[in-house]
Amino acid sequence: ETGVTQTPRHLVMGMTNKKSLKCEQHLGHNAMYWYKQSAKKPLELMFVYSLEERVENNSVPSRFSPECPNSSHLFLHLHTLQPEDSALYLCASSQGVRDTEAFFGQGTRLTVV
Amino acid sequence: GESVGLHLPTLSVQEGDNSIINCAYSNSASDYFIWYKQESGKGPQFIIDIRSNMDKRQGQRVTVLLNKTVKHLSLQIAATQPGDSAVYFCAGTPKFKAAGNKLTFGGGTRVLVKP
Repeated sequence: ETGVTQTPRHLVMGMTNKKSLKCEQHLGHNAMYWYKQSAKKPLELMFVYSLEERVENNSVPSRFSPECPNSSHLFLHLHTLQPEDSALYLCASSQGVRDTEAFFGQGTRLTVV
Repeated sequence: GESVGLHLPTLSVQEGDNSIINCAYSNSASDYFIWYKQESGKGPQFIIDIRSNMDKRQGQRVTVLLNKTVKHLSLQIAATQPGDSAVYFCAGTPKFKAAGNKLTFGGGTRVLVKP
């Protein structure tokens, strides 16, 4: 266990559904991240939050909506996704945004049908 | 932007032998490099990092070498064990940036350890 917990581990959703991914870290870190890991692409940074404030967007489509209510929790709200959005979504945390040692959760395997 | 890539997608290694995983990067302004290990069904796990002002750093059974002249990074695993079977990612981050931690990951190399 890395101290970063993601739920659910697996999710299948239709293109018209709305779902949310949850991430919780128990490490006292101040920065949290969402990454997307596709079968044929390197890990892609989607969002960065530091002290609940978003500092990085990386031009992710608006059908992905992050929420960070506090420094321990991070959500990724999903709506009207496309099949190509099927991937492993990884949450990570670090002490601060300039810390390179990020601790990853086990990911949510998302399948869009 | 920064581009980080791997030479070999799969590396088969005999148990007990040494493993060498390579990584190339394109952004000469990269300041930190990190190696992650990702086992099946798990998220990436930090292994070791190295700063651009270093050529070599050693950990427990792992050594990272950095050649800034040719923009090349490698991870050496000594006496490879079955538990080392995983996908290994290199990642780089540029120097101090206000935008936050911008790790850019390579595509990954799968290491298969044969008994």
